[in-house]
Amino acid sequence: QVQLVESGGGAVQPGGSLRLSCVASGFTFSDNGMHWVRQAPGKGLAWVAFIRYDGSHKYYADSVKGRFTISRDNSKNTLHLQMNSLRAEDTAVYHCARDEGIGYYMDVWGKGTTVTVSS
Amino acid sequence: QSVLTQPPSASGTPGQWVTMSCSGSSSDIGNNPVNWYQHLPGTAPKLLIFSNDLRPSGVPDRFSASKSGTSASLAISGLQSEDEADYYCAAWGGSLNGWVFGGGTRLTVL
Repeated sequence: QVQLVESGGGAVQPGGSLRLSCVASGFTFSDNGMHWVRQAPGKGLAWVAFIRYDGSHKYYADSVKGRFTISRDNSKNTLHLQMNSLRAEDTAVYHCARDEGIGYYMDVWGKGTTVTVSS
Repeated sequence: QSVLTQPPSASGTPGQWVTMSCSGSSSDIGNNPVNWYQHLPGTAPKLLIFSNDLRPSGVPDRFSASKSGTSASLAISGLQSEDEADYYCAAWGGSLNGWVFGGGTRLTVL
């Protein structure tokens, strides 16, 4: 079945870096754009970044622009999020999600991986 | 602060009909389809409604949604205990905002 599994979360100090990964299975990964969406404690879902199916275009929320980099390895069915200059407000559960492809929505999500930024 | 506005909570008893709203602007809901997600913390969010009022296969027809202008709403009929979850509306907010979400409505089944 279609599945997305995130990993790489953990605890890091402010200013530190972390690299998240999301392994996809059950569909042709290279056919779909992919997103990262996060949920801070006590808050709602917030879109973080998007990458086109071929990696040719990337888009970021203003809150992470210049600090986070989304990338993908279609040969390994894997999505990444490189997070640098981390701040306390980046503390959240990070979900990867598949873009449906036409209708501008996410149709499959992973359970998420937790990132905690604290001194 | 979320771009789309949702009431923070809603409640109902088993068997009841409950609705929840989502308000946006011409930059998002007014010119783009609305999608709804069901989320239990600690689990993967689930697509409930796409393109304003369409249900993915496997979603019961107890769930319905509509859109008018810059607002949308989700309705659940025949409320069940397993419907207790957080519900989020979302839409494409244009190249300036990207994908935008509401703050979520926590549904309690009394």
